[in-house]
Amino acid sequence: AQSVTQPDIHITVSEGASLELRCNYSYGATPYLFWYVQSPGQGLQLLLKYFSGDTLVQGIKGFEAEFKRSQSSFNLRKPSVHWSDAAEYFCAVGTGFQKLVFGTGTRLLVSP
Amino acid sequence: SAVISQKPSRDICQRGTSLTIQCQVDSQVTMMFWYRQQPGQSLTLIATANQGSEATYESGFVIDKFPISRPNLTFSTLTVSNMSPEDSSIYLCSVDTSTHPDTQYFGPGTRLTVL
Repeated sequence: AQSVTQPDIHITVSEGASLELRCNYSYGATPYLFWYVQSPGQGLQLLLKYFSGDTLVQGIKGFEAEFKRSQSSFNLRKPSVHWSDAAEYFCAVGTGFQKLVFGTGTRLLVSP
Repeated sequence: SAVISQKPSRDICQRGTSLTIQCQVDSQVTMMFWYRQQPGQSLTLIATANQGSEATYESGFVIDKFPISRPNLTFSTLTVSNMSPEDSSIYLCSVDTSTHPDTQYFGPGTRLTVL
């Protein structure tokens, strides 16, 4: 069965610094991969998704993610973090059967 | 994408009572999903609701506890029955617009507290 691991529970980044959130997945075939963001008291917003093709995908709010098959990873990056980026970030994997499996999430804190 | 609304946005309920959560989408969708997010936890799928058929429940979730209705292609309800404090969670609905595989869009969630 597919699974997703987000090894970092919390990450603190200074405003203006770069960000990388880690995501590793387990799935036998090429997965569909997603990053969602959940701001406090809000639902989940889709940041970006990967299905095939170019392994570097661009998303909203200046985020990007890179699919690395050899490492079973789909890490999320942003070159310069803003205070409004403070939120919970979830990585998810889909298998094409309309079900998503979510990681446990990484809480991003942004320091002044 | 899709615009999804949920009602209520939050509620505080007494144990033993039931709460029905509504999910409305601004376009017709085939598949709707209900998730539970317990405090500090990730999302767990409760069930998948397709219009015109019975909901499909995930392991650990049963229809008697979480009955779901899906009367048309834009609306669904989830009822949390005979509530206990352990049901305190955020309940989220999502939809699959079928534009891209497995891509789901989420509502804002319903924050439920059971006393």
